[in-house]
Amino acid sequence: AQSVTQPDIHITVSEGASLELRCNYSYGATPYLFWYVQSPGQGLQLLLKYFSGDTLVQGIKGFEAEFKRSQSSFNLRKPSVHWSDAAEYFCAVGATSGTYKYIFGTGTRLKVLA
Amino acid sequence: DAMVIQNPRYQVTQFGKPVTLSCSQTLNHNVMYWYQQKSSQAPKLLFHYYDKDFNNEADTPDNFQSRRPNTSFCFLDIRSPGLGDAAMYLCATSRDPGKTQYFGPGTRLLVL
Repeated sequence: AQSVTQPDIHITVSEGASLELRCNYSYGATPYLFWYVQSPGQGLQLLLKYFSGDTLVQGIKGFEAEFKRSQSSFNLRKPSVHWSDAAEYFCAVGATSGTYKYIFGTGTRLKVLA
Repeated sequence: DAMVIQNPRYQVTQFGKPVTLSCSQTLNHNVMYWYQQKSSQAPKLLFHYYDKDFNNEADTPDNFQSRRPNTSFCFLDIRSPGLGDAAMYLCATSRDPGKTQYFGPGTRLLVL
């Protein structure tokens, strides 16, 4: 069965520091992979997605993610964090056949120190 | 701009009083989804429509119903809200099943 694990529930970084949020998945084939960001009281905004091709994916707001098949990972990175990046981040796996459902990770809450 | 719109943004209802949440989209997408999200949790899929075909998740309570009168609109009806139904309700759309989902801003439901 599909599953998504975000090992870090909370992460705190200083403004200007680099960031990496971890995401590991379990799926029988190469899935569709997504990162979303959610600010308090808001909906989910798509940061980036991976369907196929280049394993390093660029997204909005200076984020990137790298798909590593051997590690079943899709970690999100940003070289320099801004205070406005404080939010909840969700990794999601989309099935490429069958139900086509998303499976969301439990989220990582990012806190940014000034 | 093409988008997903949810109304109202905040809804207060009384225990047991039916409530309807609305979602509309200008993306002309074929699939519309309803998720329930409780505090500090991931969104949980309730059901989705692929065109006019309704797909209910196995663990979605019967208290939750949905209607999609046309491509642009989808409604979530909660027949008898309980205190446990207080949550953020998110609508999302995708062009086709499995493709990227685009979310609305959500409706926060409070049950008194």
